[in-house]
Amino acid sequence: DSGVTQTPKHLITATGQRVTLRCSPRSGDLSVYWYQQSLDQGLQFLIQYYNGEERAKGNILERFSAQQFPDLHSELNLSSLELGDSALYFCASSVVSGSEQFFGPGTRLTVL
Amino acid sequence: GIQVEQSPPDLILQEGANSTLRCNFSDSVNNLQWFHQNPWGQLINLFYIPSGTKQNGRLSATTVATERYSLLYISSSQTTDSGVYFCAVVAGGFKTIFGAGTRLFVKA
Repeated sequence: DSGVTQTPKHLITATGQRVTLRCSPRSGDLSVYWYQQSLDQGLQFLIQYYNGEERAKGNILERFSAQQFPDLHSELNLSSLELGDSALYFCASSVVSGSEQFFGPGTRLTVL
Repeated sequence: GIQVEQSPPDLILQEGANSTLRCNFSDSVNNLQWFHQNPWGQLINLFYIPSGTKQNGRLSATTVATERYSLLYISSSQTTDSGVYFCAVVAGGFKTIFGAGTRLFVKA
């Protein structure tokens, strides 16, 4: 157990809908990262936050947004969902930006 | 942006055999990690190794930052070693780039 928690574990929804994925980092970690893992794209970095502020942005679609709250938990919002958004979404955390990352168990999103 | 290449893409071993997985990266990095993704999808930390050599049981890793590569050694492989091994790097700008992975299957 890495100490990073993600909810829900599984999510099934329909095209056009909006969902929110939640992540709680390890105790003491200030940085949170979001990743998408799909069969054809591998593990893709989406976005990183450090102590509430956006630090780095990767291949995140405009339909996706994220936020890190004062208690350091983070949420990833996915809207106008498409079939191709079906994937495993991971959250990771680290003490500071660029230090060792620890991954949560992931949320498996299925868009029907 | 920085490119990360892993080789080989697939590897089949007999239980007890040794193997070496390679990760090449195209630019200087601040951080390099090795992960094992098990068949249940969990990403497990193996090594945080921006440079130098580390060992943990049957696994060891070496990163030669000046030559832009890292190696993961697995000795006396076991069936539980099966899964996908990923290398991930962080360069300037804090973006994390994962390689495509090496898929390992260890036969009993």
